[in-house]
Amino acid sequence: AQSVAQPEDQVNVAEGNPLTVKCTYSVSGNPYLFWYVQYPNRGLQFLLKYITGDNLVKGSYGFEAEFNKSQTSFHLKKPSALVSDSALYFCAVRDEGGANNLFFGTGTRLTVIP
Amino acid sequence: ETGVTQSPTHLIKTRGQQVTLRCSSQSGHNTVSWYQQALGQGPQFIFQYYREEENGRGNFPPRFSGLQFPNYSSELNVNALELDDSALYLCASSRGGILGPDEQYFGPGTRLTVT
Repeated sequence: AQSVAQPEDQVNVAEGNPLTVKCTYSVSGNPYLFWYVQYPNRGLQFLLKYITGDNLVKGSYGFEAEFNKSQTSFHLKKPSALVSDSALYFCAVRDEGGANNLFFGTGTRLTVIP
Repeated sequence: ETGVTQSPTHLIKTRGQQVTLRCSSQSGHNTVSWYQQALGQGPQFIFQYYREEENGRGNFPPRFSGLQFPNYSSELNVNALELDDSALYLCASSRGGILGPDEQYFGPGTRLTVT
């Protein structure tokens, strides 16, 4: 069975500070991992994905994520937070051998304080 | 913004009624997935269509059904609506079928309210 856990419902960070949004996953095979962001009354926007290769993945808007197989984690990071980064962030996983559908976490609301 | 569009934006229905939601996929994409996002939750997979065939289904009852058309647009139909069906319904398109880890591109969603 596939699952994703986002242990923090809410993350607050000051503008200009680094941010981290945590995600851990469980799959039976090799994972494909994704981060999406959702702004109010909008659909999900793709940020980045990990398929294979380098453990540090760079994505849109200056975000990056680090894949850690031993800790089954895929934390989202950004060196310097912007107020406009405030949104709801979802981590998602699919199994390498599975159908192309995603299992999402429950989301983490990021608030960047000016 | 993605090239995925959904209609209608909002919908209010009465318990027991039927509803049809529509999705146009992004150009070049042959796979459409539907998700249900209840308030305060992450999206949950309903089903996926690849080249007009259902290609996987989540834990949703048969009253949730779908179609994909030759132009790869799709419909989600829900019969015998229940209050718990109130949610944001998201459509996502991608290039792959059952293979390939292509990212999915989401539409803005349809907000369904069942009273």
